[in-house]
Amino acid sequence: EPEVTQTPSHQVTQMGQEVILRCVPISNHLYFYWYRQILGQKVEFLVSFYNNEISEKSEIFDDQFSVERPDGSNFTLKIRSTKLEDSAMYFCASTQDRDNEQFFGPGTRLTVL
Amino acid sequence: GIQVEQSPPDLILQEGANSTLRCNFSDSVNNLQWFHQNPWGQLINLFYIPSGTKQNGRLSATTVATERYSLLYISSSQTTDSGVYFCAVEWSYNTDKLIFGTGTRLQVFP
Repeated sequence: EPEVTQTPSHQVTQMGQEVILRCVPISNHLYFYWYRQILGQKVEFLVSFYNNEISEKSEIFDDQFSVERPDGSNFTLKIRSTKLEDSAMYFCASTQDRDNEQFFGPGTRLTVL
Repeated sequence: GIQVEQSPPDLILQEGANSTLRCNFSDSVNNLQWFHQNPWGQLINLFYIPSGTKQNGRLSATTVATERYSLLYISSSQTTDSGVYFCAVEWSYNTDKLIFGTGTRLQVFP
């Protein structure tokens, strides 16, 4: 069964460093998302991406964040200068059509020291 | 925006018991999904259920969209059912993002 994959599973970085989180969505999916979950809290939407552009972003998704689909399979989230409060689990999701079921990857746990 | 509330916040059961988790939402939705977050933090898709009833083994779910709620039933619970259960909805108005509830933390003891 096809699934969304994410790498790395865990990343530790120093405050101020750049990090890139990688996702491989399900191959025939067209809509891609990033969500995050701070420890002990609910999952929050960050950004949605379709047809090579951002379709919606939350207030969290400020100028420090960017997303890219560099090729036909990868979808990346970059944080330019990490802050302590960026420590969270980051989930990638994808779906074939808008309003359909979204499938989530296993997450990347980001720890900023 | 749309509000999503889940109840109860915490649930403690003995193995073999049945339970019902509830998700209320404040406006019309195009999509509703139930997830189980396991102890490793992974979100496992349980149901995609914007309306109607579905069953998968010991789990079933019902969404009554006109009354703005969804229920997740767990029968004959097992210790492996422990974790946090999230409901997430996609508001009908020009968005496809999922809005998550605060979850129900389930602990099943042998």
